[in-house]
Order: sequence, then C-alpha cells, then structure tokens
Amino acid sequence: GENVEQHPSTLSVQEGDSAVIKCTYSDSASNYFPWYKQELGKRPQLIIDIRSNVGEKKDQRIAVTLNKTAKHFSLHITETQPEDSAVYFCAAGRGNKLTFGTGTQLKVEL
Amino acid sequence: DGGITQSPKYLFRKEGQNVTLSCEQNLNHDAMYWYRQDPGQGLRLIYYSQIVNDFQKGDIAEGYSVSREKKESFPLTVTSAQKNPTAFYLCASRTGLAGGHTGELFFGEGSRLTVL
Repeated sequence: GENVEQHPSTLSVQEGDSAVIKCTYSDSASNYFPWYKQELGKRPQLIIDIRSNVGEKKDQRIAVTLNKTAKHFSLHITETQPEDSAVYFCAAGRGNKLTFGTGTQLKVEL
Repeated sequence: DGGITQSPKYLFRKEGQNVTLSCEQNLNHDAMYWYRQDPGQGLRLIYYSQIVNDFQKGDIAEGYSVSREKKESFPLTVTSAQKNPTAFYLCASRTGLAGGHTGELFFGEGSRLTVL
C-alpha cells in the first residue's frame, strides 16, 4: 500500500518569512495529492490539491509542487501570518483511498 | 445547513465495552470514511465505504466494525477487541469518483473516545 512521509514534524518561522513542508510517497500509481490544514480544536480542511498531470499549482500565498519522478511534493507558504499557525497534513492516493502523512505543526511567531 | 455531523463529541468507555460513534452527512456524498488521529501519527484510515451496503477495510481495521445501510449514515463501532481505543476519531465524506480521481474530503468535528 501507499506510504507517505512528511517533514519536518514541527516548523517555527517568523511572521513574513516563507515555510516549506515536504512529503514523499511510495506508490507510483498515486495521482492525487491534497494538503489539509487543521487549526487547534477544529476539523481538517482542504487548502490546496494537485493532480499528477500538473507540476505546480498556486493559490495566493500557498503553492504546491509535485515531482513524480522523485515521488515527492511540497507545500510552500509565503509571507506567513499568525493565522497560518496550524497542523498541516499532506496526503497521496488514487481511487477512493487517501493516505495521510504524520503532520507538521507550523508556528508563526510575531 | 449542509455538513457532516459526528456524535457524541466526547465519550468515555470502560474496558471490555463496545461503543458506537455516529456519523451523518446531508451532502449527498457517495463515499464515507473513518480516520483515527493520534498525536504524531497523522490520520490513519480505519474503514471506508464507496456506496450503500458496501465497505472496505483501511489500514487499521482490526477491532473496529462499520455498517452502511443508508447513504447518509456510516456508524463506527469500537469493539472490545481494539487494544488501544483511546483516540480522536474523524468521519469524512466525499463526492463520487470522476475520471478516477479522489476529491475533497469533508470532515466532521470528531469524537474523542477515552477508555477508563
């Protein structure tokens, strides 16, 4: 089955700096790669996703890149703000099944 | 107000007891999922269902059971066979497949189960 590794487990940045979270996956058949954000005490919510036929996708301050050859994908957050503080999960999958990474606790310090 | 509702929010259970967590959605989604969330381990898939009266085991199905008698409902039973049931449980739903791709998961607010 699919195995997703996510790094780092914790990340602390200064407000205004960029943050990068990286994930690798094992199943070359995976074709869908979403990122979810979970604020403290709240449910995970989708923030951006990418499909295997696209190398990069951007939505305002967040972007995701995918390298199918190396089987890794990354989340980039620019101009970080305090409200970006949360746990971020990557996931990979195809069909009905998604496998999640272990999460990254992002802290944006003033 | 469309969404996915889990109940109860908090649940305490004695060892050896079965407990059932409720998950209801009014989004008309075909697929429903149960994930378990433990600190440092992300979201691990317990069971999922693509359609009524059908469900598949996920990565950590042992000690759990589910049913899907109605499209709107996907209850999870944590049995006494689950060795470490204390955890946060998340239910999710998603629209049906299109072009072989998965889509956005909509999560409930979760149920926190504590075994005493």
